[in-house]
Amino acid sequence: SQKIEQNSEALNIQEGKTATLTCNYTNYSPAYLQWYRQDPGRGPVFLLLIRENEKEKRKERLKVTFDTTLKQSLFHITASQPADSATYLCALDVKTGANNLFFGTGTRLTVIP
Amino acid sequence: DVKVTQSSRYLVKRTGEKVFLECVQDMDHENMFWYRQDPGLGLRLIYFSYDVKMKEKGDIPEGYSVSREKKERFSLILESASTNQTSMYLCASSLRGSHEQYFGPGTRLTVT
Repeated sequence: SQKIEQNSEALNIQEGKTATLTCNYTNYSPAYLQWYRQDPGRGPVFLLLIRENEKEKRKERLKVTFDTTLKQSLFHITASQPADSATYLCALDVKTGANNLFFGTGTRLTVIP
Repeated sequence: DVKVTQSSRYLVKRTGEKVFLECVQDMDHENMFWYRQDPGLGLRLIYFSYDVKMKEKGDIPEGYSVSREKKERFSLILESASTNQTSMYLCASSLRGSHEQYFGPGTRLTVT
């Protein structure tokens, strides 16, 4: 069956450290992989998209890698800040008609001051 | 800035009632989506629409229907609400050919 797993439900790290979140998937062939941020009581907000032929993508303090052989994406936040505390969702885009997304359950990140 | 609005933030309905959830986007997006989000299950797609009057079933359409009479508006209908439809409902939109989705703030529906 198809599955998207994000490594842990919750992750606590110290301010200033690098947070690394993992997204593993089985039985999908995504053309793209996206990461979203969700704050409590709010809808997800798009952060980054990486294509299947890209190995790495960066945006400010964020870095995403995508390994289609391992079927894994890593999401890094460098120099983490308490304001980075949120739930982070990975989403697979399998390039169907309306670009449907299949979401993981998310990892709740807490950055401790 | 893209704005997606949903008619209610919180809603409490009784079992058997007909429930309408409204979603409006202001950026002329062709694609619109309805998800529900439950703890441990993540976001699951209920229905989507890629044009006015067009609709496609997502992963969990049972017990729901949708309506898209105007490009900016996408409605989710629970014909006869049941307690297992208690959930957070999220609407999203995207531009045709684009991949990122823009989400509304969500409606937390409780069915008693």
